[in-house]
Amino acid sequence: NAGVTQTPKFQVLKTGQSMTLQCAQDMNHEYMSWYRQDPGMGLRLIHYSVGAGITDQGEVPNGYNVSRSTTEDFPLRLLSAAPSQTSVYFCASSYMSGARTGNTIYFGEGSWLTVV
Amino acid sequence: DAKTTQPNSMESNEEEPVHLPCNHSTISGTDYIHWYRQLPSQGPEYVIHGLTSNVNNRMASLAIAEDRKSSTLILHRATLRDAAVYYCILRTSYDKVIFGPGTSLSVIP
Repeated sequence: NAGVTQTPKFQVLKTGQSMTLQCAQDMNHEYMSWYRQDPGMGLRLIHYSVGAGITDQGEVPNGYNVSRSTTEDFPLRLLSAAPSQTSVYFCASSYMSGARTGNTIYFGEGSWLTVV
Repeated sequence: DAKTTQPNSMESNEEEPVHLPCNHSTISGTDYIHWYRQLPSQGPEYVIHGLTSNVNNRMASLAIAEDRKSSTLILHRATLRDAAVYYCILRTSYDKVIFGPGTSLSVIP
């Protein structure tokens, strides 16, 4: 059981480049989300999805796009990378209904992104 | 905004119990109380959750106030490996999850 898988683990981008962070889960979770975590700070929600074809903005969505074409995958796209997007990115997933194990959230191992 | 408030930091001596408090005065009847912890350079991991009754598992205990407006995560014997940031969140069905800054726990040898 792989859980939540993120790729790549490390990436260096030049300002203005675009890239996609991949996230996949094999637990048939409806809810998926992306967080960023700057050094010494907490987790900030970028975008989230409650099912295939449904996405919505979180706290800090600017500069990022998402799509959810399948239940398993939730890629995060950086449109034109900026140094302010240097951060660690975490993908997370869970069931939506409270009756299913209390909606425990599973996190990926993180993707370290540096924009120079 | 996060629906919970926690102290920014706490200290504990090794092998002593630790009580990490969390206030959630706006909790609704169907919200689950979740605790996660994040070790340095790792993603957050699940610790424990509860709805109304106190809960125990191999990692910790969760004490929930009778009015559910606060809860306490209890680590029975702190070890150096328990030094982490602990997050208390409310898990609402069909809604996004916002994390607060959490409590940074330091364990003193």
